[in-house]
Amino acid sequence: ETGVTQTPRHLVMGMTNKKSLKCEQHLGHNAMYWYKQSAKKPLELMFVYNFKEQTENNSVPSRFSPECPNSSHLFLHLHTLQPEDSALYLCASSQVDSGGYEQYFGPGTRLTVT
Amino acid sequence: SQELEQSPQSLIVQEGKNLTINCTSSKTLYGLYWYKQKYGEGLIFLMMLQKGGEEKSHEKITAKLDEKKQQSSLHITASQPSHAGIYLCGAVRSGGSNYKLTFGKGTLLTVNP
Repeated sequence: ETGVTQTPRHLVMGMTNKKSLKCEQHLGHNAMYWYKQSAKKPLELMFVYNFKEQTENNSVPSRFSPECPNSSHLFLHLHTLQPEDSALYLCASSQVDSGGYEQYFGPGTRLTVT
Repeated sequence: SQELEQSPQSLIVQEGKNLTINCTSSKTLYGLYWYKQKYGEGLIFLMMLQKGGEEKSHEKITAKLDEKKQQSSLHITASQPSHAGIYLCGAVRSGGSNYKLTFGKGTLLTVNP
């Protein structure tokens, strides 16, 4: 595997379900990100982990819970979601001390909440 | 907070035509990234600009950052169907950690064969 992978690619869940999104980066980066992309809205940064420490939480509702067990893996745990949470969830990684800061994105998980 | 306005929101061109997409910031840009996204997929990094007046090219795509560092343009020469997709600009937030990006809403490009 190369780059940034995300599983599952598609997920349909009811409002009472609990599910998790997984992201894995194979680039040796030290920062990982969760973004939410909704129709006709800018890409929204949700969480940032730098050296496994959460450094940003952009006022995300508590029904989204991130976990970063090591610098290569990032999870987004979901519970009691709302239909408006349906969106494309993108994971990204970067090397924050390289000076370039370009972020490399995974293919995303298309989430539908019914 | 820094906001990025992209124009146009969508663009339809005939194959072989040139086109330009703009990204305008409400604040000084400390780093500007261009990404391309196929519908429903992840973003692909195109290029990054940091210095006022800087210009970079990759194949038939050229991006510039103006001298005042508040606007960037992406120019595609002799467009092809493979150029179709959503183009997003992302900016490093000023005054904060410089690895967090703010994105524009994107420009949807359609290239008709």
